[in-house]
Amino acid sequence: KNQVEQSPQSLIILEGKNCTLQCNYTVSPFSNLRWYKQDTGRGPVSLTIMTFSENTKSNGRYTATLDADTKQSSLHITASQLSDSASYICVVSEQAGTALIFGKGTTLSVSS
Amino acid sequence: NAGVTQTPKFQVLKTGQSMTLQCAQDMNHNSMYWYRQDPGMGLRLIYYSASEGTTDKGEVPNGYNVSRLNKREFSLRLESAAPSQTSVYFCASIPGQGGTEAFFGQGTRLTVV
Repeated sequence: KNQVEQSPQSLIILEGKNCTLQCNYTVSPFSNLRWYKQDTGRGPVSLTIMTFSENTKSNGRYTATLDADTKQSSLHITASQLSDSASYICVVSEQAGTALIFGKGTTLSVSS
Repeated sequence: NAGVTQTPKFQVLKTGQSMTLQCAQDMNHNSMYWYRQDPGMGLRLIYYSASEGTTDKGEVPNGYNVSRLNKREFSLRLESAAPSQTSVYFCASIPGQGGTEAFFGQGTRLTVV
């Protein structure tokens, strides 16, 4: 069964610190992997999208990495801000498929 | 450009009542999706429509029906609401298959009492 596992489930960090979120998947064949940010009470918003041939992609203070061989991805947040407090969701798409497979998300809390 | 619009934003139903959740996108996307999000469960696919005129079941379709009215609109119907259907529902659209971005609506928070 295609699955997407994220860790940690939740994380608390101080403002200004860096953090890394993990995503492991078993989806095969694989098309692309996306990281979304979901603020409380809002819909998910895309941060990055990577195909199997891409190793890293950045979006401001967010940097996503992908190792298609080990089926692992990470999202690194640099110099965290209070506004980074949200749920971060890893989503994997099957090759030529129409369904997106969601992880359960990591809830990040940034405190001052 | 509104993106993906869902209505209503909030709804309270009594057990056994029916209702339709509306979703419309103005980006000329082919694929549209309905998800539900429950605490600790992540988003789970209810139904999707790969293109106008087609619909398919997702992971949790029981108790729901969908209609792809045209390319813009994809509705989700609860024929006889149950407390287990209390959830936040998200509609999403994607231009096509594979490596393209999904756009989500703001969600409908449904409570069945």
